[in-house]
Amino acid sequence: NAGVTQTPKFQVLKTGQSMTLQCAQDMNHNSMYWYRQDPGMGLRLIYYSASEGTTDKGEVPNGYNVSRLNKREFSLRLESAAPSQTSVYFCASSERVSNQPQHFGDGTRLSIL
Amino acid sequence: AQKITQTQPGMFVQEKEAVTLDCTYDTSDQSYGLFWYKQPSSGEMIFLIYQGSYDEQNATEGRYSLNFQKARKSANLVISASQLGDSAMYFCAMREGRYSGGSNYKLTFGKGTLLTVNP
Repeated sequence: NAGVTQTPKFQVLKTGQSMTLQCAQDMNHNSMYWYRQDPGMGLRLIYYSASEGTTDKGEVPNGYNVSRLNKREFSLRLESAAPSQTSVYFCASSERVSNQPQHFGDGTRLSIL
Repeated sequence: AQKITQTQPGMFVQEKEAVTLDCTYDTSDQSYGLFWYKQPSSGEMIFLIYQGSYDEQNATEGRYSLNFQKARKSANLVISASQLGDSAMYFCAMREGRYSGGSNYKLTFGKGTLLTVNP
C-alpha cells in the first residue's frame, strides 16, 4: 500500500544547482499535483497535471518545471535553485471526482544554501 | 482576500474534551468542496473529512464532524473526545467548481491551526 512515493526525502543544494524531485503513485489516479509548504503559509500549488499528457501552472510556478512522465509519475525540476525555494515539497494525486481527496506523499525537505 | 481563513493559529484542549477548529471560506462558485487535513509532527498530510457544497447533512467521520454553515461560509471541524494523538496541525482546504479543466483541480489551503491536546 505505497500510495504516493516521493524521492528524495531530504536534499541540500547550493544556489544555482539543479535537481529533480520524483513522485510516483500506484492508485491509478488521473490527476497529480506539486505543492510547497512554508512556515505560516499553508500549502501552495506549484503545478498540477489534470491527466496524463497535460500540465498547468498553479499559484507559485516561477522557478519550476514539471514533467508528467506517464500516468504514475510526475516530476518537479528546479533548474537553478535559489534560497527562496527552500521548502517542504509535497506531491499529491487524486481521482477526478468531486468528493475524493487528494492523497499526499510524505514530502521532500529541500534546503538551498 | 484570502479564500480560506483559519483564524486560530493555535488551540489548546484537554484530553477527552471536544474542540472546534474554525474555517471560513470565500467563493462565488455554487459547486465547491471543503476538506480537512491533519499534519502531525512527522509531516505527512492525512485526509480527515469532506463536505460538498450541495451536501445537506453535515459530514461525519468517527470522532470528526464538520459544522457546515453555508450562508456564513464556514466549515468548522469538530473533534470530539480529544486524544493526545490529535495534537497536530490542521488545515482546511477548498476546491472550487467542477472537474472541467482549468483551475478546478486546485486545492486552496488555509494557513492551519496547531492543536495541542493536554493530558
